[in-house]
Amino acid sequence: RKEVEQDPGPFNVPEGATVAFNCTYSNSASQSFFWYRQDCRKEPKLLMSVYSSGNEDGRFTAQLNRASQYISLLIRDSKLSDSATYLCAVNIGVRGSARQLTFGSGTQLTVLP
Amino acid sequence: GAVVSQHPSRVICKSGTSVKIECRSLDFQATTMFWYRQFPKKSLMLMATSNEGSKATYEQGVEKDKFLINHASLTLSTLTVTSAHPEDSSFYICSAGRTGSNSPLHFGNGTRLTVT
Repeated sequence: RKEVEQDPGPFNVPEGATVAFNCTYSNSASQSFFWYRQDCRKEPKLLMSVYSSGNEDGRFTAQLNRASQYISLLIRDSKLSDSATYLCAVNIGVRGSARQLTFGSGTQLTVLP
Repeated sequence: GAVVSQHPSRVICKSGTSVKIECRSLDFQATTMFWYRQFPKKSLMLMATSNEGSKATYEQGVEKDKFLINHASLTLSTLTVTSAHPEDSSFYICSAGRTGSNSPLHFGNGTRLTVT
């Protein structure tokens, strides 16, 4: 079983739609969680950290469910510019640097006009 | 602006040659940097953890003699792909975080390597 799993998609949604992505992780000792956005042939850029109480940044809402070991990202009122691949990242923290991240395979989102 | 700079952004080389990729933290010190590789439509796979002043820690299945890492200063780590082959063609990305901080990692802009 992969340490971090995501639905690869693709998700094709109309502009204005609400879309949600989930990401599951296998190590219950995982300590911190992030969502990154990656545009085609570019490096990942941090979208938001995910906190235990859930957090919101504009149209984006992130949730963490430790009991079920998953994190989610909700995008409301999607824009054409939201089209990208969304990667979840987990700090496993069991070896090496506590800053070391393990990434999911990414979920591709295309917002259609 | 960018806080982690990676160079070159793109390189094409012939089989058998070596390629060096630089990763610099621009306005902070990073005792640890990470090197990832990403194949098309795949996720980032951690190759190794670069440690300033000591040997890098390689992930299982990554050949340390093939991918040489040097972290000679608090702001610079280099990855050298030695005797490159076409199967080494990939997108290589470094990341770094501010030493002593729990702030999220920042990524370099990546290096697209094509070996012909």
